[in-house]
Amino acid sequence: DGGITQSPKYLFRKEGQNVTLSCEQNLNHDAMYWYRQDPGQGLRLIYYSQIVNDFQKGDIAEGYSVSREKKESFPLTVTSAQKNPTAFYLCASSIRAFTDTQYFGPGTRLTVL
Amino acid sequence: AQKITQTQPGMFVQEKEAVTLDCTYDTSDPSYGLFWYKQPSSGEMIFLIYQGSYDQQNATEGRYSLNFQKARKSANLVISASQLGDSAMYFCATRAGNQFYFGTGTSLTVIP
Repeated sequence: DGGITQSPKYLFRKEGQNVTLSCEQNLNHDAMYWYRQDPGQGLRLIYYSQIVNDFQKGDIAEGYSVSREKKESFPLTVTSAQKNPTAFYLCASSIRAFTDTQYFGPGTRLTVL
Repeated sequence: AQKITQTQPGMFVQEKEAVTLDCTYDTSDPSYGLFWYKQPSSGEMIFLIYQGSYDQQNATEGRYSLNFQKARKSANLVISASQLGDSAMYFCATRAGNQFYFGTGTSLTVIP
C-alpha cells in the first residue's frame, strides 16, 4: 500500500538533547513537508522540500533542521535550540509543492521531560 | 493576516442527520484551492475533499460535499447521514501562492 510512515509514534526527549523524527513516503511524491500542531491550533509549517537535495524554511523553522537526500525520506531534527518542542509533528507529501493535495502521515508526539 | 477562519470550536449532531461545518477564507490570489481534512483522535490528518477556485460545481465525495460560495469567501463542509465514526476534528485549509494555511479546526461529536 502506498502511504506515508512516521516513526516513532511517541518520543520523549530530555532537555538539551537533539532528536530526529523519521518520515518516509512511497507515493513517488516530489514535495514533502513538516508541520507542528499545538493544542487548539492549526498546523504550522516548519520546513518543506520541493525536490531531492532542496529544502526551504517555513514559518517556524528556528530550532529545527531537515535533510532530503532521498526522494522517499525527509527526516526532521529537533535541536536543543528549540525552546518549546513539546508538540505533535505531522509529515506530509504532495506530487508537486503547493499545487496538489497534501497527504499526511500518522504523526509523532514529542514530549520534553 | 489570518487566511482561514473556523468559527465553530465544537459541534454536535445526531447520528444519521446532516451537519455543516463553517469555513471562511481570505486571499487575494485569483487561483487557490480549498481543502478539508479530518483528524480523528489517533492524530492522522485524512484528506476529505478539494475545491479549486475556478471549479464551477461544488465538489462532492461520497457523504461529503463542499458548499463553495466564492463571493462570500466561504467553503463550508456538509456531511450527510452522520455516522459515529465521523466524530473527529475537522480542519479547513487553503492553498494560496507558496503556502498552505490551516484553520484552528472544529470538533464534531456524533451522538447516537
